[in-house]
Amino acid sequence: QKEVEQNSGPLSVPEGAIASLNCTYSDRGSQSFFWYRQYSGKSPELIMSIYSNGDKEDGRFTAQLNKASQYVSLLIRDSQPSDSATYLCAVLSGGSNYKLTFGKGTLLTVNP
Amino acid sequence: KAGVTQTPRYLIKTRGQQVTLSCSPISGHRSVSWYQQTPGQGLQFLFEYFSETQRNKGNFPGRFSGRQFSNSRSEMNVSTLELGDSALYLCASSWSGTGGEQYFGPGTRLTVT
Repeated sequence: QKEVEQNSGPLSVPEGAIASLNCTYSDRGSQSFFWYRQYSGKSPELIMSIYSNGDKEDGRFTAQLNKASQYVSLLIRDSQPSDSATYLCAVLSGGSNYKLTFGKGTLLTVNP
Repeated sequence: KAGVTQTPRYLIKTRGQQVTLSCSPISGHRSVSWYQQTPGQGLQFLFEYFSETQRNKGNFPGRFSGRQFSNSRSEMNVSTLELGDSALYLCASSWSGTGGEQYFGPGTRLTVT
């Protein structure tokens, strides 16, 4: 069973702080990794994708990937109350599987 | 570009009935995936279609089926509804032939009574 694991939280940070969200996956053949943000009552929104080891930055968001450790993370700098949401890690299985497996998500609360 | 659309947005059905949900992907996207989301299980993969072919199927009973049309629009059908089928059903489309970078529609909230 190929799995994606995330801490369910809730993770609570003060406004302006760095929020760190973590994810581990079991399928060593995975090549593509994604972070989605889901506000309560809404559908998931793609915020970051990462395909190679290292860091990828987009505005206040940085995704980090370590394939050897099967670990992917998302850092949110200068956290804002509007960042309060559930963050879902998703991993695309290797080979011709075409299946995106999601973690159960981490609930982030940014306190003003 | 218009986003992924799903119809209907809300649905109430009775046990034993069947239901069909519709999804129109982003223009140019040929891959459509369906997911079931519940508070306890999270987002679970149902199936993925590309150019009218089902390429992968999740661990759901045969009551769950789908299809994709030549214009990439997709439908999923659930027959003989059970109470446990109450969930948010999400459709996502992707331009990528490998199924990555998926963009979600607003979902259909199905309630089975």
